[in-house]
Amino acid sequence: GQNIDQPTEMTATEGAIVQINCTYQTSGFNGLFWYQQHAGEAPTFLSYNVLDGLEEKGRFSSFLSRSKGYSYLLLKELQMKDSASYLCAVRPNYGQNFVFGPGTRLSVLP
Amino acid sequence: DGGITQSPKYLFRKEGQNVTLSCEQNLNHDAMYWYRQDPGQGLRLIYYSQIVNDFQKGDIAEGYSVSREKKESFPLTVTSAQKNPTAFYLCASSWQINEKLFFGSGTQLSVL
Repeated sequence: GQNIDQPTEMTATEGAIVQINCTYQTSGFNGLFWYQQHAGEAPTFLSYNVLDGLEEKGRFSSFLSRSKGYSYLLLKELQMKDSASYLCAVRPNYGQNFVFGPGTRLSVLP
Repeated sequence: DGGITQSPKYLFRKEGQNVTLSCEQNLNHDAMYWYRQDPGQGLRLIYYSQIVNDFQKGDIAEGYSVSREKKESFPLTVTSAQKNPTAFYLCASSWQINEKLFFGSGTQLSVL
């Protein structure tokens, strides 16, 4: 079967760094996506990893280890507007439908 | 601005009633999708379409129907056969099947 795990909720302080983990067990692997979703709004694309290593994009970075079935999203210099849910999604094989994790709801406190 | 528009934002369904959720995109994307989002669960795929006049069932298609008569439009009908329709419904599109998804802002469907 296909399974993706993420922590349900996380809390962090404004200005801090937070790491959101995602572990996956899928029939194959052809890319992992991270999306940000504010409550009641559209998910928006954050990052895409298909090879092992770290992808950095401003305050956000995403890491992938294919051998461990593991990814994380790193958010630096947290701002209040980063309070949102973060969705991890795996594409098992090219052309195959995405498998989504349950999402991690991040609350940033002043 | 290009994007995906879903309407309405909120929708209420009476028992035994069919309701239709609208999804329109002007991104010129070939592929379109409907997902259902429930609290504590990942997005689940209802239906998807790779091209006009073609669509495929996703993981939870029972009680739903779709059409793809135009490239821009992919409406979802929630039929009376769907016994637990209360959820947040998200429409998405991508250049080709299962490339990066662009999402609409969702429709919250509730049962009266």
